[in-house]
Amino acid sequence: RKEVEQDPGPFNVPEGATVAFNCTYSNSASQSFFWYRQDCRKEPKLLMSVYSSGNEDGRFTAQLNRASQYISLLIRDSKLSDSATYLCVVIPRNFNKFYFGSGTKLNVKP
Amino acid sequence: DAEITQSPRHKITETGRQVTLACHQTWNHNNMFWYRQDLGHGLRLIHYSYGVQDTNKGEVSDGYSVSRSNTEDLPLTLESAASSQTSVYFCASSESLAGTDTQYFGPGTRLTVL
Repeated sequence: RKEVEQDPGPFNVPEGATVAFNCTYSNSASQSFFWYRQDCRKEPKLLMSVYSSGNEDGRFTAQLNRASQYISLLIRDSKLSDSATYLCVVIPRNFNKFYFGSGTKLNVKP
Repeated sequence: DAEITQSPRHKITETGRQVTLACHQTWNHNNMFWYRQDLGHGLRLIHYSYGVQDTNKGEVSDGYSVSRSNTEDLPLTLESAASSQTSVYFCASSESLAGTDTQYFGPGTRLTVL
């Protein structure tokens, strides 16, 4: 079983839509969670960390559900520039390595 | 500004040749990582280092080696390139040993093994 699993998509949404992605993880002892964004043929870049209480950064909201072992990313009022692949990252406790999901592709259409 | 660079950006080589991909960071980060990214697999960890003279195997380390002789550089060597090693390779670095800091990625090297 993979450490981290994501729906590959693509999610095709119109501008202005709200879209949400989930990411499940297998290690219940995981301690840190992130969302990264990757544009086509470019390097991944940190979008936001995910805190236990949930957190928001502008149009982006990240949430953690430890009981069901998943994290989510909600994007409100989608922009064309949000089109990218979104990677979730999980770091197990006492284990200094990042586990990346394979990514969810988002296409925002005019 | 501090940065992380990779060279070459594109490389075509033949099966059986030795290839070395360079990674250089100017953040003075202790931790450095090499990943490969293939369609359907996401980023997979090849090797990583927590400091000078420290190297560790990741989940897909067979056929690859690294050495860490200084803080700034972590070159990745393919001992005898195989077609299965055609991929995009990303180097990354992070600051703390806790592993919870952001990883900063280089721009990637696109390697084709014919």
